[in-house]
Amino acid sequence: GEEVAQTPKHLVRGEGQKAKLYCAPIKGHSYVFWYQQVLKNEFKFLISFQNENVFDETGMPKERFSAKCLPNSPCSLEIQATKLEDSAVYFCASSQSRDYGYTFGSGTRLTVV
Amino acid sequence: DQQVKQNSPSLSVQEGRISILNCDYTNSMFDYFLWYKKYPAEGPTFLISISSIKDKNEDGRFTVFLNKSAKHLSLHIVPSQPGDSAVYFCAASRAAGNKLTFGGGTRVLVKP
Repeated sequence: GEEVAQTPKHLVRGEGQKAKLYCAPIKGHSYVFWYQQVLKNEFKFLISFQNENVFDETGMPKERFSAKCLPNSPCSLEIQATKLEDSAVYFCASSQSRDYGYTFGSGTRLTVV
Repeated sequence: DQQVKQNSPSLSVQEGRISILNCDYTNSMFDYFLWYKKYPAEGPTFLISISSIKDKNEDGRFTVFLNKSAKHLSLHIVPSQPGDSAVYFCAASRAAGNKLTFGGGTRVLVKP
């Protein structure tokens, strides 16, 4: 399809629980990006993939965050042992190449209580 | 270190008038710039982009201007419509497939 599909839309986890978010990029798009939006609209880059390979992971808190993009499966972002500060909206975006822009999904709102 | 800044958190404009949104960047390695519009509870929607080899790009009511020497870009919306009320983000990247670095957003309110 022509949209980036993110599931679930909302996710509530108790502190210390695991959270897993999914993203189906637009078919034919080679690049996938994950961003975290916290207070005051700030978007923080987490990780990007070129096909199933990690392209840039400089934004990932590696001790608890992991991500995968496997062939024929939605991409996933997993947070082990969630903390209150992980509460945010997580956006996925995909791109064919930057000349065509980056298409964002509608996000997953994670609330850690 | 905020590499992309939108210094105006909000802007109010009358319907039919021009909206001008500004964005400054510090990293001279950025060579591709984009503007996104975002409604509450939705993802950012791509509006318009510009490569560093250009200084202007137009698409309908939207025009983006780039001043590389000043490391400044602006988005002009004319005429502004009530449906344009949203948060607008400026973003920049360094190379193909590279991550976007976002500004903090400007909330635009277009009054009927």
